[in-house]
Amino acid sequence: SQQGEEDPQALSIQEGENATMNCSYKTSINNLQWYRQNSGRGLVHLILIRSNEREKHSGRLRVTLDTSKKSSSLLITASRAADTASYFCATVTGANSKLTFGKGITLSVRP
Amino acid sequence: DAGVIQSPRHEVTEMGQEVTLRCKPISGHDYLFWYRQTMMRGLELLIYFNNNVPIDDSGMPEDRFSAKMPNASFSTLKIQPSEPRDSAVYFCASRASGAYNEQFFGPGTRLTVL
Repeated sequence: SQQGEEDPQALSIQEGENATMNCSYKTSINNLQWYRQNSGRGLVHLILIRSNEREKHSGRLRVTLDTSKKSSSLLITASRAADTASYFCATVTGANSKLTFGKGITLSVRP
Repeated sequence: DAGVIQSPRHEVTEMGQEVTLRCKPISGHDYLFWYRQTMMRGLELLIYFNNNVPIDDSGMPEDRFSAKMPNASFSTLKIQPSEPRDSAVYFCASRASGAYNEQFFGPGTRLTVL
């Protein structure tokens, strides 16, 4: 079953614009992670936010977490054509070691 | 480190045949995960191991699927007999101990069952 659900399912923006992607989940989490998948490739970890954190930055990425709303957002600033990919949120619940992925968001950045 | 290695990268087989997918995790990682990705169902966790021991195989679709990890550097996912609905991309991933560690994914095996 899907724990995380991303929104929107697809996003198309112009290079240089910011991209915001949202993720909602259903049960309490230990941490939430965002991954990127380029076409035909494996997933690559982008950023992890713990349940007691509210915001985290990594380069052009900013992730927020609102545990009261059970939601997270990933912001990519100053997007580039190379950011075109699918983005997945994934949650870890309790002491469980496994990740539960959403269905992903397809981001297209037009040059 | 070369990252997670999977073989073969592509596999085309006929219905009823046995298929074996292979994975070499990153050295020192003691968790190994097998996923299946399809357009319809997204990314599904099939099974994961900790220190070579299967911990959760609740995602394995049916008895036709089996996975082993005979040692810390090798795992297999076997489908016998294969069916067209098994066509998907199968990923292996590994990570180190600790709940806050990321998973490292292999490049995947694209399986087509005719």
